[in-house]
Amino acid sequence: GENVEQHPSTLSVQEGDSAVIKCTYSDSASNYFPWYKQELGKRPQLIIDIRSNVGEKKDQRIAVTLNKTAKHFSLHITETQPEDSAVYFCAASGGLRGQKVTFGTGTKLQVIP
Amino acid sequence: GAVVSQHPSRVICKSGTSVKIECRSLDFQATTMFWYRQFPKKSLMLMATSNEGSKATYEQGVEKDKFLINHASLTLSTLTVTSAHPEDSSFYICSARSGGRQTEAFFGQGTRLTVV
Repeated sequence: GENVEQHPSTLSVQEGDSAVIKCTYSDSASNYFPWYKQELGKRPQLIIDIRSNVGEKKDQRIAVTLNKTAKHFSLHITETQPEDSAVYFCAASGGLRGQKVTFGTGTKLQVIP
Repeated sequence: GAVVSQHPSRVICKSGTSVKIECRSLDFQATTMFWYRQFPKKSLMLMATSNEGSKATYEQGVEKDKFLINHASLTLSTLTVTSAHPEDSSFYICSARSGGRQTEAFFGQGTRLTVV
């Protein structure tokens, strides 16, 4: 089945700096890669996603890149703000597991004011 | 975006009792819903895939008789934790997708289960 690895597990950055979170996946047939933000005790919320037919997608301060050959994708947050502090999960879907979404292990991001 | 409602948000029960958690898609029909379990500071672990009108598909290691899943309609799936034990205490979250394989999954707000 699909295996999604995520690094780092924790990340601290100064407000205004950039944050980068990286993930790798194992199922080459996976074709949908969402990123979720989860605040403590709350539900995960989609912040950006990318499909396998594109290599990069950007939405204001957030961008995601996908390298299908290497089977890795990354989340980039620029000009970080304290409200960006949360746990971020990458995920992969499609492929052999169909609709099932396999999540990475999560990255706890702390933005220091 | 689509709305998924999960109830209750918190529940405390005694060991040996059963607890039912509901997951509803409020503004779309979900033929498939997913149930996850999340331990503190850990990722979301898929427990089972709930299929409307048929039996749920459980992930390896998840006890079918322990975690009963019923997908009674296109908008409702339930998870019943039977004969609960303290080790079942966890955060349970459901999700549903309104479209195909490359569409967003929407999550319920989660249920914090504490078994005492």
